[in-house]
Amino acid sequence: DGGITQSPKYLFRKEGQNVTLSCEQNLNHDAMYWYRQDPGQGLRLIYYSQIVNDFQKGDIAEGYSVSREKKESFPLTVTSAQKNPTAFYLCASTGVLPSGANVLTFGAGSRLTVL
Amino acid sequence: GEDVEQSLFLSVREGDSSVINCTYTDSSSTYLYWYKQEPGAGLQLLTYIFSNMDMKQDQRLTVLLNKKDKHLSLRIADTQTGDSAIYFCAEGHLSGGYNKLIFGAGTRLAVHP
Repeated sequence: DGGITQSPKYLFRKEGQNVTLSCEQNLNHDAMYWYRQDPGQGLRLIYYSQIVNDFQKGDIAEGYSVSREKKESFPLTVTSAQKNPTAFYLCASTGVLPSGANVLTFGAGSRLTVL
Repeated sequence: GEDVEQSLFLSVREGDSSVINCTYTDSSSTYLYWYKQEPGAGLQLLTYIFSNMDMKQDQRLTVLLNKKDKHLSLRIADTQTGDSAIYFCAEGHLSGGYNKLIFGAGTRLAVHP
C-alpha cells in the first residue's frame, strides 16, 4: 500500500540533544511537508520541499533543519536551538486527485518529548 | 492575514446529526478541506470542496460553503461513536508555487450514547 511512514512514533530527548525524525513516502509525490501540532492549536508549517535538493522555510523553521536528498525521504532534525520542542510532528506529501484537487496525505506522526 | 477559525468542542448524541462550522479569511482559497484526526494518529482527508461550489455530499457527509460569508460547514448524518475525533478545517491556495494549507485549531467531536 502506498503511504507515508514516520519513525519513531515516540521519542524522548534530553535538553541539548539533536534528534532526527524520519519520513519516507512511496506515493511518488514531489512535494513534502513537516508540520508541528500542539494541543488546541492548528498545524503549523515548519519546512516544505517541492523537489529533490530544494526546501523552503515555513512559518516556524527556527530550531529545525531538513534535507531532501531523495524524492522518497524528507527527514527533520530538531536541534538544541529549538526552545520548546515537545510536540507532535506530522509529515505530509502532496498529490493531485483526478478532480484536480491538491490534497495532503499525512503520516501517523511522531511524538517528541523533551525530558 | 490568513486565518481559519472553528469552535473547539462539540458533543452530540449517537444517531443525531453533527454540524461543525468553520470560518476563513482568505478569499483566494481554491479548495477547502475537512480532515479527521483520531487519537495519536495523523490526519485523514475526509472530503474537500472546490471554492466555486456551494455544496458537496459524500455518503453521510455534507459540506456547505458560503463563499460570500467565508463560512464552511461539515454535517455528519447519523453520528456514530466511531466518528469521535478531532476535525480540522483547512483552506488551500497556491502560494509561491506550492499548495499552502492553513488549518484551524480543530473541533473535538464527542459522541455519547
